[in-house]
Amino acid sequence: GEEVAQTPKHLVRGEGQKAKLYCAPIKGHSYVFWYQQVLKNEFKFLISFQNENVFDETGMPKERFSAKCLPNSPCSLEIQATKLEDSAVYFCASSLLPGRNTEAFFGQGTRLTVV
Amino acid sequence: AQTVTQSQPEMSVQEAETVTLSCTYDTSESDYYLFWYKQPPSRQMILVIRQEAYKQQNATENRFSVNFQKAAKSFSLKISDSQLGDAAMYFCAYRTGNQFYFGTGTSLTVIP
Repeated sequence: GEEVAQTPKHLVRGEGQKAKLYCAPIKGHSYVFWYQQVLKNEFKFLISFQNENVFDETGMPKERFSAKCLPNSPCSLEIQATKLEDSAVYFCASSLLPGRNTEAFFGQGTRLTVV
Repeated sequence: AQTVTQSQPEMSVQEAETVTLSCTYDTSESDYYLFWYKQPPSRQMILVIRQEAYKQQNATENRFSVNFQKAAKSFSLKISDSQLGDAAMYFCAYRTGNQFYFGTGTSLTVIP
């Protein structure tokens, strides 16, 4: 597609439940990034992929967060046993090249609310 | 470590006037790119303008321009002839190959 598609737009989970978010990058883009935006300002980097391979996962809280980008499927970000502090907007972005000059195209985000 | 600092949490501007949003960054790299993104209430992140660090000429996109001072590691955004539709959060960002680093944003209000 011509835009990054994230689903669902909103997700509500009880504390301790699992949450799974999806992202379809722009067709032809090899790089996918996941960011967590808390309180409308701070963007925390979670993980990036080059095709189906993890490129950089330095931001991932590995004990509960996992992510995949499999061929011919949307990328996914899964949170096991959600906590209240996981409430945030999760953005996916894709870019064509890894180079420093290429912009990232963002999806509209998934708002996760943990209650 | 790469960091991006936006020291103005909020700014306001009268419609049709000019406003400048500031951004400073810290990096040890010599080749990099800088971006300004706009985030309206819809949450959509929209690229406003980008600047290649190796270019001395400041980037311009219609009413938007930057003042890039590489030695000072400063990258401010100037919005001319401000319009109501410019009201949004503005994020400065620096990119390495692996990820983007974002500032904490400046909320811009446009006063009619």
